[in-house]
Amino acid sequence: QVQLVQSGAEVKKPGASVKVSCKASGYTFTIYYIHWVRQAPGQGLEWMGIINPSGGSTIYAQKFQGRVTMTRDTSTSTVYMELSSLRSEDTAVYYCARRGGIIMTHINYFYMDVWGKGSTVTVS
Amino acid sequence: DIQMTQSPSSLSASVGDRVTISCRASQSIASHLNWYQQKPGRAPNLLIYAASNLQIGVPSRFSGSGSETDFALTISSLQPEDFATYYCQQSYSSPQTFGQGTKVEIK
Repeated sequence: QVQLVQSGAEVKKPGASVKVSCKASGYTFTIYYIHWVRQAPGQGLEWMGIINPSGGSTIYAQKFQGRVTMTRDTSTSTVYMELSSLRSEDTAVYYCARRGGIIMTHINYFYMDVWGKGSTVTVS
Repeated sequence: DIQMTQSPSSLSASVGDRVTISCRASQSIASHLNWYQQKPGRAPNLLIYAASNLQIGVPSRFSGSGSETDFALTISSLQPEDFATYYCQQSYSSPQTFGQGTKVEIK
């Protein structure tokens, strides 16, 4: 079945970096973009960026520009999200989500249709 | 950035109630609006895409409406498994943004 399997929990010191992985299975990896979304404890959902697994192109939220890097490895159907210069405010659950889409009346509509279970990153 | 504002932030309702959650965009997003349900400790789950289209496997008591800047998610008859937090999300432009969430609690 279609699934995204994320790496386990991490505890990092302030100033360090973390790299979270998201392994796709059950579908053709290079066809679907992957989003990264995070959720701080008790807070809402925050979009971080998106990667095209085919060519590796990325779009990052301005808030994370310069600190986030999203990459992919097509040989293992895995995408990675690395966040550097960590601070306590980066403590959150980090989710990867597949970008699904549909064309209706010649317009593309996109949504997040498959999610990983989340990776908890604690900065302390 | 497009701001998404949900109302109310929380609500209390009983099983069988009809519940409506609103979502307003700070500018027109046509129908590029999705709704997600999230239960504690779980990842979000897609309910509605493109404002009014029910995701496969989602019960028909869920429906979405609206376009441009004003949208709504309606649960026609609230069930025990529907107590959760609901988020709207715009996919019109980057950065994609979410509403702050609406927590549906048991009265």
